[in-house]
Amino acid sequence: QSALTQPASVSGSPGQSITISCTGTSSDVGGYNLVSWYQQHPGKAPKLMIYDVSNRPSGISNRFSGSKSGNTASLAISGLQAEDEADYYCSSYTSSSTYVFGTGTKVTVL
Amino acid sequence: QVQLQESGPGLVKPSETLSLTCTVSGGSISSGDYYWTWIRQHPGKGLEWIGYIYYSGSTYYNPSLKSRVTVSLDTSNNQFSLKLNSVTAADTAIYYCVRRSRVDFAFDIWGQGTMVTVSS
Repeated sequence: QSALTQPASVSGSPGQSITISCTGTSSDVGGYNLVSWYQQHPGKAPKLMIYDVSNRPSGISNRFSGSKSGNTASLAISGLQAEDEADYYCSSYTSSSTYVFGTGTKVTVL
Repeated sequence: QVQLQESGPGLVKPSETLSLTCTVSGGSISSGDYYWTWIRQHPGKGLEWIGYIYYSGSTYYNPSLKSRVTVSLDTSNNQFSLKLNSVTAADTAIYYCVRRSRVDFAFDIWGQGTMVTVSS
């Protein structure tokens, strides 16, 4: 199973909005509404930000939102804040009953 | 508040078996609501799903690791474990134990991670 494709880096100024894409295939992203997104600060464990494409766990800011179109899922962050600077990973359930992660995106707040 | 904590050797010799244990506190590992998962992260790299186990004992593994991996449950101690045999330097990574919701299919609670280095 190949890793899902994400841009290596995305940047934005405080207050701006950014979007991170996550491209897979019809066997993973496109086949199921089971895409999740994780935020990872340096030296820390990942944290669940979005599940089932567009749902936010309790306690996650509504500045984070998720969507999907075909084989590509997206994570949008609005009102960018310094604390949003981190690595972000997407993940999808697959037709083989396994999981695949994205290549990861480094978000920089300028 | 459910918490997960990994434990095990930080250094393993090549060709030997990597063994890690995850202790679950604040909730029962026998709950049918979760799958108990191992995920790893090579230094400076992305995340890799290793596999998980359900309370019934059913297991699911990454095809690329399946021949070398075993995940098991110890319900009496509320723990689950990872064994990875015939390790090489390519298995050097941070290993996380993680809870996956049966309903939401997402990894919602993570341990802090433990670094395992494969070296002679």
